[in-house]
Amino acid sequence: EPEVTQTPSHQVTQMGQEVILRCVPISNHLYFYWYRQILGQKVEFLVSFYNNEISEKSEIFDDQFSVERPDGSNFTLKIRSTKLEDSAMYFCASSVQRNSPLHFGNGTRLTVT
Amino acid sequence: GENVEQHPSTLSVQEGDSAVIKCTYSDSASNYFPWYKQELGKRPQLIIDIRSNVGEKKDQRIAVTLNKTAKHFSLHITETQPEDSAVYFCAANEDSNYQLIWGAGTKLIIKP
Repeated sequence: EPEVTQTPSHQVTQMGQEVILRCVPISNHLYFYWYRQILGQKVEFLVSFYNNEISEKSEIFDDQFSVERPDGSNFTLKIRSTKLEDSAMYFCASSVQRNSPLHFGNGTRLTVT
Repeated sequence: GENVEQHPSTLSVQEGDSAVIKCTYSDSASNYFPWYKQELGKRPQLIIDIRSNVGEKKDQRIAVTLNKTAKHFSLHITETQPEDSAVYFCAANEDSNYQLIWGAGTKLIIKP
């Protein structure tokens, strides 16, 4: 069964640095998402991406964040000037249609020190 | 905007017994209600979903019921097994939105 893949599995960075989290969605999926989960808390929506543009974003997704689909397979989340409170698990997900089952990657655990 | 409340936050049941987790939503336009299971340290995985045109859906030991009038939906797990231990999240969305609104999660503990 095809899966969403994410790299790296764990990223440690210093406060103020920039990080790029990478994802390869399932190939026939058209909708891509980034979610965040602080340890022990609920899953929080960051952004959705469809047809090569952001389709929706949450209040969390401010100017510090950006997404890109640099080629036909990768989907990236860039976090500029990281803060301690950005430490979380970041999940990429994809779906065939809007409002259809989300397929999550294994996540990238970001630790900001 | 949509708000999803989930109860209880922790549920402990004896192996073999049934477990019920309940969620309420605020936006009457919501029409898609998935349930995700997240084992410790792993990704959320869809276990069942329901759309607003049906009131109940079942898949083996798992069932979901939806009451549109009361704006609540529930997950039922029968004959619980140790591997059912996980955190379960409900969520809601409607067709014009891309973002799924999630409940806070229920930690289900199956006691041997």
